[in-house]
Amino acid sequence: AQSVAQPEDQVNVAEGNPLTVKCTYSVSGNPYLFWYVQYPNRGLQFLLKYITGDNLVKGSYGFEAEFNKSQTSFHLKKPSALVSDSALYFCAVRLYGNNRLAFGKGNQVVVIP
Amino acid sequence: GAVVSQHPSWVICKSGTSVKIECRSLDFQATTMFWYRQFPKQSLMLMATSNEGSKATYEQGVEKDKFLINHASLTLSTLTVTSAHPEDSSFYICSAPGQGAWNEQFFGPGTRLTVL
Repeated sequence: AQSVAQPEDQVNVAEGNPLTVKCTYSVSGNPYLFWYVQYPNRGLQFLLKYITGDNLVKGSYGFEAEFNKSQTSFHLKKPSALVSDSALYFCAVRLYGNNRLAFGKGNQVVVIP
Repeated sequence: GAVVSQHPSWVICKSGTSVKIECRSLDFQATTMFWYRQFPKQSLMLMATSNEGSKATYEQGVEKDKFLINHASLTLSTLTVTSAHPEDSSFYICSAPGQGAWNEQFFGPGTRLTVL
């Protein structure tokens, strides 16, 4: 069964420092991976996706993620965190031909001024 | 990107009443929509897949008679929580996939349901 794991509950980072949110996946077949962000009492906003091609994917708001097949990981990164990046981040995986998404448990990111 | 709306954004109701939540794709058609439930600071739990013109597909453990889903048109799906109880209080989110197999899902803003 397809699944993703986000091992950390909360990520604390000082403003201006690099931000990394970890995600590992388990799928049979080619993975299609996504990152979403959720602000309080709001729906999810799409950040970026990996379908095929370059392992480094650039997305919205300065975020990027690196697909690593050997480590089955898709970590989200931002070189310099902003206070406004404080939110809940979800990694998700989908199989081709199946629109259903499996979400990780989410990571609360807290950027400290 | 495509826009998905939900109505209402929040609702408070008495125990035993039914509540209807609407999910609309505003600038695209969606033959499929998804309904999720989210508890505070937790992940999204897929409840069901709404299919235009046919019955919804429910995930294991989700009561069909409790959570009625109707996909009335290519832009509208509704979730009705019947005979709501306090344990049904939650944040309900819908989503619709973009065109093509490679596109991300577009999420509605969510509906906060509080059952007294």
